[in-house]
Amino acid sequence: DAGITQSPRHKVTETGTPVTLRCHQTENHRYMYWYRQDPGHGLRLIHYSYGVKDTDKGEVSDGYSVSRSKTEDFLLTLESATSSQTSVYFCAISQPGLAGNNEQFFGPGTRLTVL
Amino acid sequence: GQNIDQPTEMTATEGAIVQINCTYQTSGFNGLFWYQQHAGEAPTFLSYNVLDGLEEKGRFSSFLSRSKGYSYLLLKELQMKDSASYLCAVRWGGGGNKLTFGTGTQLKVEL
Repeated sequence: DAGITQSPRHKVTETGTPVTLRCHQTENHRYMYWYRQDPGHGLRLIHYSYGVKDTDKGEVSDGYSVSRSKTEDFLLTLESATSSQTSVYFCAISQPGLAGNNEQFFGPGTRLTVL
Repeated sequence: GQNIDQPTEMTATEGAIVQINCTYQTSGFNGLFWYQQHAGEAPTFLSYNVLDGLEEKGRFSSFLSRSKGYSYLLLKELQMKDSASYLCAVRWGGGGNKLTFGTGTQLKVEL
């Protein structure tokens, strides 16, 4: 299994509070991603990173920001949490290469509830 | 943009064969992935197709037709542990190895 951890694994917070989720990898993979997964929508890309300090928006980036100051860590911040951001959040990593699948490996997920 | 369709639910019998279909419309197609996701767990990689044809890996096979925008995942000798959601995902151009996922097919294996 790829070495990916997410913290916290569960969090309950109140509307309007800031929340930061952490993804940590020990694989030295270049690319990192944040997804949210909701019933009826599947996995949707929030933000991704090409490398240290190199990030870009995904499909559902409004209300979220990210930072990557080290190869191994990718942080997702909800500046002011809303109930619509209640979801399961997955981090993923991949490594670009000249050949092969370059598949994404997923972390265990964080279940976030915004009351 | 990208659009991926797959059935919401399927039911099959232990020991049987099941085929899960996936159709897609996308620009800059650069590969199709299948993932398995058990309830409450992370998705795990099953298979990858970038060229037309069948890729076989044990009890699991995946097929791709790029001209038709169509793929299927074939599961043989079904076991109860195969009850899970199966996610079809398309990689498209633009860098970053980004994927767009379908909503998943929930497979229930019954005795």
